[in-house]
Amino acid sequence: DTAVSQTPKYLVTQMGNDKSIKCEQNLGHDTMYWYKQDSKKFLKIMFSYNNKELIINETVPNRFSPKSPDKAHLNLHINSLELGDSAVYFCASSQVVGTRFYGYTFGSGTRLTVV
Amino acid sequence: TQLLEQSPQFLSIQEGENLTVYCNSSSVFSSLQWYRQEPGEGPVLLVTVVTGGEVKKLKRLTFQFGDARKDSSLHITAAQPGDTGLYLCAGAVNRDDKIIFGKGTRLHILP
Repeated sequence: DTAVSQTPKYLVTQMGNDKSIKCEQNLGHDTMYWYKQDSKKFLKIMFSYNNKELIINETVPNRFSPKSPDKAHLNLHINSLELGDSAVYFCASSQVVGTRFYGYTFGSGTRLTVV
Repeated sequence: TQLLEQSPQFLSIQEGENLTVYCNSSSVFSSLQWYRQEPGEGPVLLVTVVTGGEVKKLKRLTFQFGDARKDSSLHITAAQPGDTGLYLCAGAVNRDDKIIFGKGTRLHILP
């Protein structure tokens, strides 16, 4: 059973197109995230949702819009794709126990290539 | 700006050797995680440390959290080719309000 699954695994698209990436977790976690990993493997948070409510919205272009229909799903829609959007996008989930953060469970990533 | 510095950035050693990877910051963390990422996959959580001075072992991997909760180390004994990957540390400043990732150590174990 895949704990955090995201689709598609690979996405190749032309500049200017609109695309979506879907994510689902079956861990019962309250919080879900989108991370971007650049070519140098640096992970940078984009968004965080807790129980369908947006709690972190880092400085990303407003062409990126997350949507969480329920606490098990967090999708990422990207409008007017640009070359610089090419990267690997990871969905993750987490559960805070008491006041302590114990780590993420990541999906296997979506490699987005904009041509 | 809060930073997590990982060193070394790259490490290539022979199978059977020991190695240590470091994760340092000026920030105090309520918890710190280590992940391993293999090509084409997402990072996989190896361990979480929460108490200053804490030591955790996972087979041949030993993780230590600094007494002041600002730094951590990962020691691998008798490295094997299966240990090859990108090792990432991440610190939680307060709960999950702010999680900071290091830039990773790329480890390659030669058979």
